[in-house]
Amino acid sequence: ETGVTQTPRHLVMGMTNKKSLKCEQHLGHNAMYWYKQSAKKPLELMFVYSLEERVENNSVPSRFSPECPNSSHLFLHLHTLQPEDSALYLCASSQVYQETQYFGPGTRLLVL
Amino acid sequence: AQSVAQPEDQVNVAEGNPLTVKCTYSVSGNPYLFWYVQYPNRGLQFLLKYITGDNLVKGSYGFEAEFNKSQTSFHLKKPSALVSDSALYFCAVRDASGNYQLIWGAGTKLIIKP
Repeated sequence: ETGVTQTPRHLVMGMTNKKSLKCEQHLGHNAMYWYKQSAKKPLELMFVYSLEERVENNSVPSRFSPECPNSSHLFLHLHTLQPEDSALYLCASSQVYQETQYFGPGTRLLVL
Repeated sequence: AQSVAQPEDQVNVAEGNPLTVKCTYSVSGNPYLFWYVQYPNRGLQFLLKYITGDNLVKGSYGFEAEFNKSQTSFHLKKPSALVSDSALYFCAVRDASGNYQLIWGAGTKLIIKP
């Protein structure tokens, strides 16, 4: 349960705010992921960092900006979000070339 | 296009009865298939996976899944359901393009009634 941690667990922000989500993994993995989870929809993969290099995902709006300073930490910077961005944001990690991913508890985001 | 379908939004089962959560997939090549579970206010937890070998895969918490290539299915099963099995279950398949990423189903809510 404590292998992947995320902070904050809950976040309410206005559309003009700037905030950041943080993820930390203690599993020695070298790949990290950001997912968006909305009710009754498949998980949407937003970004992947593999060996600290970003795999682009062209469908993610530029108001979401990831940062991976090292293999243990991952951030998601948020600015000028829209109400439809309200969702649960999940971080996950794995070994590169290993499909089994380990998830954090998520950040529940509400955009007003 | 590669995809995963979980045809049931919700499955209701009485405690002690067998349960099945359905998953079908569409992917080129040999599929790598996964089941994850999400309890309320928690992240997803890995349950089991199929890569090769025996079509019946055993996983955590007494769950198992049966790979059926002809029906392109990977249904999750448990012989005797517990109330504590109530959760959201996700099926996933590895992207066949070689990037090792997962393609996810929309999830099935499993409710076990006492």
